[in-house]
Order: sequence, then C-alpha cells, then structure tokens
Amino acid sequence: QVQLQETGPGLAKSSETLSLTCIVSGGSVSTGLQYWSWIRQPPGKGLEWIGYIYYSGSTKYNPSLKSRATISQDKSKNQFSLNLRYVTAADTAVYFCARMTDSFHYDYWGQGKLVTVST
Amino acid sequence: QSALTQPASVSGSPGQSITISCTGTSSDIGGFDYVSWYQQHPGKAPKVIIHDVNDRPSGVSNRFSGSKSGNTASLTISGLQAEDEANYYCISYTSGDTLLFGTGTKVTVL
Repeated sequence: QVQLQETGPGLAKSSETLSLTCIVSGGSVSTGLQYWSWIRQPPGKGLEWIGYIYYSGSTKYNPSLKSRATISQDKSKNQFSLNLRYVTAADTAVYFCARMTDSFHYDYWGQGKLVTVST
Repeated sequence: QSALTQPASVSGSPGQSITISCTGTSSDIGGFDYVSWYQQHPGKAPKVIIHDVNDRPSGVSNRFSGSKSGNTASLTISGLQAEDEANYYCISYTSGDTLLFGTGTKVTVL
C-alpha cells in the first residue's frame, strides 16, 4: 500500500517561494511506469493540476503557472518536492501530492496540506 | 489550457440514476482513452472511481460507470445513495503530455 505525506510550512509570504515535500512510503520514486504529481485546491474551489516528475527526472507543468513551479526528487530519501515562486494570495490552497499511473490516473493521494499566502 | 467543462451541480432522489458530463476537445478527451473520474467528500482527498474511460478500480461500487463519445466523457451513478453526495471531477490526459481537470460537479441526493 503506497502512502504519501505532504510536509512543509503552512504559511508563505507574498512574493516569496512556497516549498513542500511529499514523503513516499510503500512505493519508490525510483521506479518507472508511475509519475509523482502535485495538485492543488483553493478553498471552496475545484482541483488544479500543477505538474509531475518521472523517475528519470523529466517533468511537465501546467502552463497556466507561467514557469513559477519546479518539481524535483530525492531518490535517496524517497521523496519529491514542489517549489512555487512569487506566490500571491491566489496561491492559497490545499496542496496534494499524488501518484499517477502509466494510464494517467491518480491512484494514491496524500491527505493534503493547507498553505496560506500572507499579504 | 482551459479546464474541462462539467455541470456545476446535479441532483437526484435515492434509487435514481444521474449522469455527469465532462466536455473537452480533440486534444484531450477526444484524442485519448485516458479519462478518469474522482469522488471527493468535504475535507478529504479525491478518490478514483473510474479510469481509462470505463474501468472501475477494485472495491469501487458497480453503480459507477463511465463512457465516452467524441469529446465528451460521462459518469453515471445508478441506484443513487446518500453516501454518493460529494463533488466529482473528471481528468483527461492531453496531447501536450499534461493533465487537464474538470471544473467539478456537486452531486446532491434529495
């Protein structure tokens, strides 16, 4: 059973960088045929895809984030991370990490981490 | 990329069937059979209930079914139950090798 846990500050300052890490257990970020992703949900709103990283290190991002997002991985710690630069109040959201299969659906999710951007 | 279009809300009485649509383009839903559906209860993480257009993960009720026609995918919930009251989202793979989420549908059991 794969388990994911988001960790990081629950508060970020406007114009600075939001940083979160997803700790993976029961699975490996070093294995192929799966993609490690970040998804967010502003309070009371819908889900928004942020991006993913493959075990090879290749990444894909939501174009609407205008290159502010970077996803990286640490295979030695079996975890992956999100950095979102130049945040504003609009980036306040619950951030989920999740595993995507090779048929592009999400089978395992973290519980979510609320990050509030202070102005 | 614009979000996939879903109705904001759908309602039905217990025992009835409802259908939620998810409309995209030939660059996403119409181009690939990688459509999945998720159920999200308040304060919880989403849970996959359909993947690859019409496949149900183990443990998901057979009251949930999916289909696709052209650029529109659909989720049908038959024999509606009180526990089905939740928000539902569709997701599609795209030609840009990215993922596109639906706008979400709130299902109310009357």
